[in-house]
Amino acid sequence: QSALTQPASVSGSPGQSITISCTGTSSDVGGYNFVSWYQQHPGKAPKLMIFEVTNRPSGVSDRFSGSRSGNTASLTISGLQAEDEADYYCSSFTSITVSLVFGGGTKLTVL
Amino acid sequence: QVQLVESGGGVVQPGGSLRLSCAVSGFTFSSYGMHWVRQAPGKGLQWVAFIRSHGGDKYYADSVKGRFSISRDNSKDTLYLQMNSLRADDTAVYYCAKDRGGTTWSSDIWGQGTMVAVSS
Repeated sequence: QSALTQPASVSGSPGQSITISCTGTSSDVGGYNFVSWYQQHPGKAPKLMIFEVTNRPSGVSDRFSGSRSGNTASLTISGLQAEDEADYYCSSFTSITVSLVFGGGTKLTVL
Repeated sequence: QVQLVESGGGVVQPGGSLRLSCAVSGFTFSSYGMHWVRQAPGKGLQWVAFIRSHGGDKYYADSVKGRFSISRDNSKDTLYLQMNSLRADDTAVYYCAKDRGGTTWSSDIWGQGTMVAVSS
């Protein structure tokens, strides 16, 4: 059982927007800015998409954005494209164990 | 070109040991914290361990504490993961990953992974 809760799957049509949630507690997602999002295509290494809740690394499309409300962080992908179909994971520092925890992952299907 | 290359994976019997290595290039290794993250077949990502840039501070997931040890040799630009008392549920692809900074708890560069299979 993952420490952070994500929906198992989401889907959307090309051009639409989708949002993936990541729910934790005040000891992790809600208490620290160390929230990140990763994209992983099958058989590939994860790729950092968002760091420190809202920041995009250089080279990541501005169609990807991050936000947080209370103990829930969210990743929004606008203008869905076929290449966005992948697994997405959130992560956060947790003060309970002084470690990093991942969400269970969300499979995004582009219809 | 920034690159992380893991090695040392393979098949090992339960209770056995294995040491993974991660050779890095393209950045100043000694300036960054480093993580190990694993992924069991068909499962999600699981953080394993983190070591600060100077090697003095180390952090572990509860599931590997006391069995795994993370270390680094900044003179050789190499990260290590010593895995002892291996169990079937340690079977996974193991990735090394560079922290964005000293300790930001996010990883901007990942290796391609090395497979560890624990089986009799």
